[in-house]
Amino acid sequence: QKEVEQDPGPLSVPEGAIVSLNCTYSNSAFQYFMWYRQYSRKGPELLMYTYSSGNKEDGRFTAQVDKSSKYISLFIRDSQPSDSATYLCAMRSGAGSYQLTFGKGTKLSVIP
Amino acid sequence: DAMVIQNPRYQVTQFGKPVTLSCSQTLNHNVMYWYQQKSSQAPKLLFHYYDKDFNNEADTPDNFQSRRPNTSFCFLDIRSPGLGDAAMYLCATSREPWTVILGGDTEAFFGQGTRLTVV
Repeated sequence: QKEVEQDPGPLSVPEGAIVSLNCTYSNSAFQYFMWYRQYSRKGPELLMYTYSSGNKEDGRFTAQVDKSSKYISLFIRDSQPSDSATYLCAMRSGAGSYQLTFGKGTKLSVIP
Repeated sequence: DAMVIQNPRYQVTQFGKPVTLSCSQTLNHNVMYWYQQKSSQAPKLLFHYYDKDFNNEADTPDNFQSRRPNTSFCFLDIRSPGLGDAAMYLCATSREPWTVILGGDTEAFFGQGTRLTVV
């Protein structure tokens, strides 16, 4: 079993839809959870950062962590064509950790 | 303003011909990373520097080397590129990795990547 599982998609939604992106993980040592957005042929850009279980909201984006189920989600409300990108979940263990473990990414297309 | 800058954005090299990719940062971060990302795959950590301390991942091939002459610059050297080394190479930086600061500014900032083609 891979440490981080992420459905690669592709996921295609109409503009204005609510998007749900998910990752599951197996390593209970992971404590910090990130979502990166990667546009085609560009480097990943940090989108959301969470630590504890629960929800964190930033504009149209909500990150959700359920440590008991080892499951994280990213919700995008009122999706826009500019949200079309690959979304990578990433996680790491606690203090002293250099290693980010990434999911493979989910490719999202928002159709106008 | 770009904070992690990679040059060139696109690099074509011949099979077996050494190639160097460059990364510079204006963030004054202590840690610099090199990742390899192949198409539709997760970025894979090759190595990182904490200041001048080099840390190689166990499964990074010997063909890949790195240099960090100062805080701002880090280079990835591929001694004899093979066809399988064609990928996007991502440089990233972060501050002290062992501080327990609950904020996104401790996380990794990535450059735009260098797409390497081997012919």
